[in-house]
Amino acid sequence: ETGVTQSPTHLIKTRGQQVTLRCSSQSGHNTVSWYQQALGQGPQFIFQYYREEENGRGNFPPRFSGLQFPNYSSELNVNALELDDSALYLCASSLAANSYNEQFFGPGTRLTVL
Amino acid sequence: DQQVKQNSPSLSVQEGRISILNCDYTNSMFDYFLWYKKYPAEGPTFLISISSIKDKNEDGRFTVFLNKSAKHLSLHIVPSQPGDSAVYFCAARGIIQGAQKLVFGQGTRLTINP
Repeated sequence: ETGVTQSPTHLIKTRGQQVTLRCSSQSGHNTVSWYQQALGQGPQFIFQYYREEENGRGNFPPRFSGLQFPNYSSELNVNALELDDSALYLCASSLAANSYNEQFFGPGTRLTVL
Repeated sequence: DQQVKQNSPSLSVQEGRISILNCDYTNSMFDYFLWYKKYPAEGPTFLISISSIKDKNEDGRFTVFLNKSAKHLSLHIVPSQPGDSAVYFCAARGIIQGAQKLVFGQGTRLTINP
């Protein structure tokens, strides 16, 4: 059984560019949540996908968008990158939408925007 | 608006002693609380949780206490071991803007000294 994986590990982009981050959920998990963790802060909820549908969204602008595929893997897309988007992006998968105590996190993608 | 706060950015404890990590919240509608542990270059891992209808939950060396009237929870680790050195996040679950979300504190870096 493989855990949650994320790609790429690190990424450097410039302001105004677009980025796509990827997440493979743990086997059998149908829910993926995305979080942004700025330096010195806790993870902030971006949105959650349950069976390919968005199932809740945090206070992030529309330029943050996502997808979940039939195999339950997921993408996070960020358009028109800003310097403040520099952060660690974490995805977490779970068996059900509200199973937070059974939510497994990936190692994250470190995004730097210059 | 920081709904979950961990006011101590860092804590240093001697091996074998008790570690107490604190967390305060403002939203009385939170119904479930969790603690996560994070090592460098890894995603957070679930440690222990507590429902809002309880005031204590214990799992081995880890005990979480919830004081609803004070909107305060704490994590006790006893005895502390060197492997407990990590960043600890508390998180609270609640309905925010019509969707269930997990809100994290800023984290406390725990260092266990031999």
